[in-house]
Amino acid sequence: KAGVTQTPRYLIKTRGQQVTLSCSPISGHRSVSWYQQTPGQGLQFLFEYFSETQRNKGNFPGRFSGRQFSNSRSEMNVSTLELGDSALYLCASSLEDRVYEQYFGPGTRLTVT
Amino acid sequence: GENVEQHPSTLSVQEGDSAVIKCTYSDSASNYFPWYKQELGKRPQLIIDIRSNVGEKKDQRIAVTLNKTAKHFSLHITETQPEDSAVYFCAASSDYKLSFGAGTTVTVRA
Repeated sequence: KAGVTQTPRYLIKTRGQQVTLSCSPISGHRSVSWYQQTPGQGLQFLFEYFSETQRNKGNFPGRFSGRQFSNSRSEMNVSTLELGDSALYLCASSLEDRVYEQYFGPGTRLTVT
Repeated sequence: GENVEQHPSTLSVQEGDSAVIKCTYSDSASNYFPWYKQELGKRPQLIIDIRSNVGEKKDQRIAVTLNKTAKHFSLHITETQPEDSAVYFCAASSDYKLSFGAGTTVTVRA
């Protein structure tokens, strides 16, 4: 089975711009979660989607949003980028009833200048 | 919301010795406690998990224990090897959400 894929792998944006990241889950996995990873903060939960519905979200400002499509692919969007948004964004997929058993993608490294 | 604390933040052990990482959680509704290993430059990978109704689980050189009353759980690695060097994250799962600890950087000295 192909693993979780994320595009793009690297991105450089300027403050104030917006960005869209994409995630394709493992075939058969309908739950997709997104995380922000930074050296000081570890893995911070952004949101989880299942069947095109957001089931839970973390403590991030409204500039961070996401969605899921009918084929389980997911996107996250960050608007009005700030320097502090520079991080590795990881998505992970799982079976709907095994959210604790997540398979991570390689991540998108976002740099905001 | 769930708050997971992890200690220590760094751990250096001699090859062949044991390593222990401890975590606490706050939400009594959390029901699964997975551990992930992230090698340098790679994605996190699940190495073991334990359910809330189980006290201990073992898989070769790795074992996890859970004290649900005290809301503590721990990862034990025995006979450490150089390939065990990585960042280890504990997590607690509830309500379709995984809350991670801050991570422990384990270095195995040859």
